[in-house]
Amino acid sequence: DTAVSQTPKYLVTQMGNDKSIKCEQNLGHDTMYWYKQDSKKFLKIMFSYNNKELIINETVPNRFSPKSPDKAHLNLHINSLELGDSAVYFCASSPRLAGGSEQETQYFGPGTRLLVL
Amino acid sequence: RKEVEQDPGPFNVPEGATVAFNCTYSNSASQSFFWYRQDCRKEPKLLMSVYSSGNEDGRFTAQLNRASQYISLLIRDSKLSDSATYLCYLYSNYQLIWGAGTKLIIKP
Repeated sequence: DTAVSQTPKYLVTQMGNDKSIKCEQNLGHDTMYWYKQDSKKFLKIMFSYNNKELIINETVPNRFSPKSPDKAHLNLHINSLELGDSAVYFCASSPRLAGGSEQETQYFGPGTRLLVL
Repeated sequence: RKEVEQDPGPFNVPEGATVAFNCTYSNSASQSFFWYRQDCRKEPKLLMSVYSSGNEDGRFTAQLNRASQYISLLIRDSKLSDSATYLCYLYSNYQLIWGAGTKLIIKP
């Protein structure tokens, strides 16, 4: 009964390809996130959705496009992959985006390790 | 000044010792504070929220100092299983800010 799941766990691909990463949460949370963690270990927020609506859209190349078909799913599609896209991508969810610590606590998926060759 | 700063470590600490580390932040409007731990090649997991009055969870004590703009984490009687990277996370008005983490290594 995994709370936040991501597929695939590993993704090795060539530069220029298009790939997607899927995320699902069964916690009933309203808010979902995509993060990128690079080799320096910084966790950088990329996008956040609340009830299928995009609410945070950080400065990310428009080759990255999130899609939320329903509030339990948040997928990430990446076009024209570049070497610099190699990183670990984490999906997370929280009850809400704001409203106090309990509402804002984030639960992470296991990560997708993307390597672009 | 970076939005959040943490000493990257590693902190090499003998088992049973007490260790503490801080996370300083620049946005005085930060509203919510958290400590997460991240094991090697795993996802971050919530360790504890940090409340204004300070809070304790077993061997772990978290404190918030708004005047000096930092949060701290104290681990007493450290165990080998405490070895991990500890990330601070701050939330304020749609700003989600994560520290790069402090690496802790507990040695037998």
